[in-house]
Amino acid sequence: DAMVIQNPRYQVTQFGKPVTLSCSQTLNHNVMYWYQQKSSQAPKLLFHYYDKDFNNEADTPDNFQSRRPNTSFCFLDIRSPGLGDAAMYLCATSRDRDRGLGSSYNEQFFGPGTRLTVL
Amino acid sequence: AQSVTQLDSHVSVSEGTPVLLRCNYSSSYSPSLFWYVQHPNKGLQLLLKYTSAATLVKGINGFEAEFKKSETSFHLTKPSAHMSDAAEYFCVVSDRGYSTLTFGKGTMLLVSP
Repeated sequence: DAMVIQNPRYQVTQFGKPVTLSCSQTLNHNVMYWYQQKSSQAPKLLFHYYDKDFNNEADTPDNFQSRRPNTSFCFLDIRSPGLGDAAMYLCATSRDRDRGLGSSYNEQFFGPGTRLTVL
Repeated sequence: AQSVTQLDSHVSVSEGTPVLLRCNYSSSYSPSLFWYVQHPNKGLQLLLKYTSAATLVKGINGFEAEFKKSETSFHLTKPSAHMSDAAEYFCVVSDRGYSTLTFGKGTMLLVSP
């Protein structure tokens, strides 16, 4: 089945120790997103890739970086995690409607998330 | 600019009774509207979507929503709640192609036996 996969599902890191979260997709979608979701809040968009073009949200801290080496994979790097970065991190994909063949444009498909704990 | 207001942070129902989760939106363009469901420690699953076709949209698990442009509403309903429906529900709007989604703050649905 086509899907969005996130690894690991649970990640524990130490304060200030760099950590990388992984997302892969078999949907062949050209857009990939990273969201941060804190407890009892809505997901907050950190950034997204349109193909290889990186689009950062204005209020995303510099501590958060991303890489997309190919269509299938996208990584979230947190350079120096703080206690406030503990959250669920969600990866999502979508297909831009100008290339889409059906009515699925701008629908986003989410992975199961990675729960990050910072000690 | 687009925005979403979910009118209730929590809704409690008994199993077998109807569910109504309310959502109002604001958008400068013809919007696409979605309802996503999130079970504890899980990702978001799409329940249904409106993309300017039929105004009454049927989704998975017996849920449906009606797009009412005059009321700028997109309320989610289900005739009979099941225990497995207990989860958080997000109403979401998008008005520019592939671009970013705007989430409501979520409504926690509690289902009692």
